[in-house]
Amino acid sequence: KAGVTQTPRYLIKTRGQQVTLSCSPISGHRSVSWYQQTPGQGLQFLFEYFSETQRNKGNFPGRFSGRQFSNSRSEMNVSTLELGDSALYLCASSLDGGWSGELFFGEGSRLTVL
Amino acid sequence: KNEVEQSPQNLTAQEGEFITINCSYSVGISALHWLQQHPGGGIVSLFMLSSGKKKHGRLIATINIQEKHSSLHITASHPRDSAVYICAVLLFGNEKLTFGTGTRLTIIP
Repeated sequence: KAGVTQTPRYLIKTRGQQVTLSCSPISGHRSVSWYQQTPGQGLQFLFEYFSETQRNKGNFPGRFSGRQFSNSRSEMNVSTLELGDSALYLCASSLDGGWSGELFFGEGSRLTVL
Repeated sequence: KNEVEQSPQNLTAQEGEFITINCSYSVGISALHWLQQHPGGGIVSLFMLSSGKKKHGRLIATINIQEKHSSLHITASHPRDSAVYICAVLLFGNEKLTFGTGTRLTIIP
């Protein structure tokens, strides 16, 4: 069974640009959640999608957005990039929401903003 | 004050030692996760607890809901256990995972 796949694994952008990250969950999983990890703030929850609907959202500005497609694949977008957006972005999938079951994480997308 | 506190922040031990990592939280929770992160970033879910105790191989996780405390134990530690261990909780009334700052464990051969 394939794991959670995140693309791209590494990317470099400049301030003001936008970026789109992709997450393909484990087959059959309907929930995808996104997290930002930085040395200063640690891991922080961004948002969670279930059956194409955003169920929960963390405390991030509107520049951070996401969506989920009918095949459960999810994308997140960050517009008008700032230096502070440099981070490891992780997604996790679960059958019906990781809050009551196991979370399966991808390897992450490491974003550097110059 | 963080809603989730982990201790210690860093732990170095000799191979074979018994390891304990602690996680305390300040409000009621509906679930607690223990996660393991190796260098390079990948995260593996070790346990999800809402009560009691769970065991998987050399790893044991316990939770005391009344005391708002969970522990992760590693028996017969091995250098491959070297990683960052992260506690994450789902707070009542707040459907968002809140993370501890992690414990960096180093096991010396």
